[in-house]
Amino acid sequence: AQKITQTQPGMFVQEKEAVTLDCTYDTSDPSYGLFWYKQPSSGEMIFLIYQGSYDQQNATEGRYSLNFQKARKSANLVISASQLGDSAMYFCAMREDNFNKFYFGSGTKLNVKP
Amino acid sequence: DTAVSQTPKYLVTQMGNDKSIKCEQNLGHDTMYWYKQDSKKFLKIMFSYNNKELIINETVPNRFSPKSPDKAHLNLHINSLELGDSAVYFCASSPRSQGGSPLHFGNGTRLTVT
Repeated sequence: AQKITQTQPGMFVQEKEAVTLDCTYDTSDPSYGLFWYKQPSSGEMIFLIYQGSYDQQNATEGRYSLNFQKARKSANLVISASQLGDSAMYFCAMREDNFNKFYFGSGTKLNVKP
Repeated sequence: DTAVSQTPKYLVTQMGNDKSIKCEQNLGHDTMYWYKQDSKKFLKIMFSYNNKELIINETVPNRFSPKSPDKAHLNLHINSLELGDSAVYFCASSPRSQGGSPLHFGNGTRLTVT
């Protein structure tokens, strides 16, 4: 079974609007972390935001927030006020703390339209 | 100043050759990884070392051999290169402690086998 599922291969959003990128995960480890990374066309992997499995509140980092629904095993990334520079691939990842192993989803390509 | 550095950035070679990619991190992290990103952008873990000890070895052909001379270095040697080895290879590191510690990636090595 897939550990991380991103069901949106591509998304379009108008500049200045908000967009939600979906991510669901599968684990039986009670302690885990969820991460989002951005990969622009230049290729580097940029860490955006983290959510721990025991965190009660949703994580926020500037324009990024993580909508964590533990019972549904989902960890969607919300980008508010999209900018042209947000156009990139976005990867959801999970670390199972027992193994310190990171699993990645297949990514979502976000295009921000002017 | 670079946290995780890998060399070379680009590698073009012919089938059957042997090549190496070097990786170094100056973050003091205990764990280092090699990931392969294929043409569809899927990121797959290959190996993980914790303080020079191999802890994760996914189903990778034995033509791929990692080597960790110390905890700051993890090199990847590939024998008898095949066309299907063409991909971007990312080195990454993370601390042993859990919590919000993300993977720190190098900038990737684009390997092209002709």
